[in-house]
Amino acid sequence: GAVVSQHPSRVICKSGTSVKIECRSLDFQATTMFWYRQFPKQSLMLMATSNEGSKATYEQGVEKDKFLINHASLTLSTLTVTSAHPEDSSFYICSALPTGGRGNTEAFFGQGTRLTVV
Amino acid sequence: AQSVSQHNHHVILSEAASLELGCNYSYGGTVNLFWYVQYPGQHLQLLLKYFSGDPLVKGIKGFEAEFIKSKFSFNLRKPSVQWSDTAEYFCAVNANQAGTALIFGKGTTLSVSS
Repeated sequence: GAVVSQHPSRVICKSGTSVKIECRSLDFQATTMFWYRQFPKQSLMLMATSNEGSKATYEQGVEKDKFLINHASLTLSTLTVTSAHPEDSSFYICSALPTGGRGNTEAFFGQGTRLTVV
Repeated sequence: AQSVSQHNHHVILSEAASLELGCNYSYGGTVNLFWYVQYPGQHLQLLLKYFSGDPLVKGIKGFEAEFIKSKFSFNLRKPSVQWSDTAEYFCAVNANQAGTALIFGKGTTLSVSS
């Protein structure tokens, strides 16, 4: 149980195009999902918190218009990197928090998406 | 705001050596604590977690961690490492409140030579 699936696992896109990454909780509902970014040899940096049916909350320094997050259902959140540039190349990871959890609930991570912008 | 500090950036050990990776956090309230491992080219895998109760937590692959509240620490230990433990290790913390995100430390690279 508690599987989070990200798609695609790898994507290469041309500079200036947009890329959509999906994060699905396969066997549980997730009111809240989180998006992280990981640069090579570095840690995971929280980009935004996504709540189903409402606007995402972005961390300081993360451009809302560039990283569009949509959490339209209790099992799906999407991250769209708009007008991608080479500096957006990174490993993007989502995690999903089971609905109804209290403060001691574990969030489950997807396998990540490697984005390369050429 | 929460923060997590991992003291060791790169640790190099021989097989069978003992391991201890430091992790300290900064947060005034009740926290949940986690250690994750990321093998080369792979995704995050949960090693162990602490929510409450016994401060000595045992995880997978022979790892354990001890929560010392007075020191705001959650160090990871393994009595005898193997070559296959070569990986990146991340300590993470979140507030014990519904809906809060994990904040990660910068990670420690463990290299184990056979």
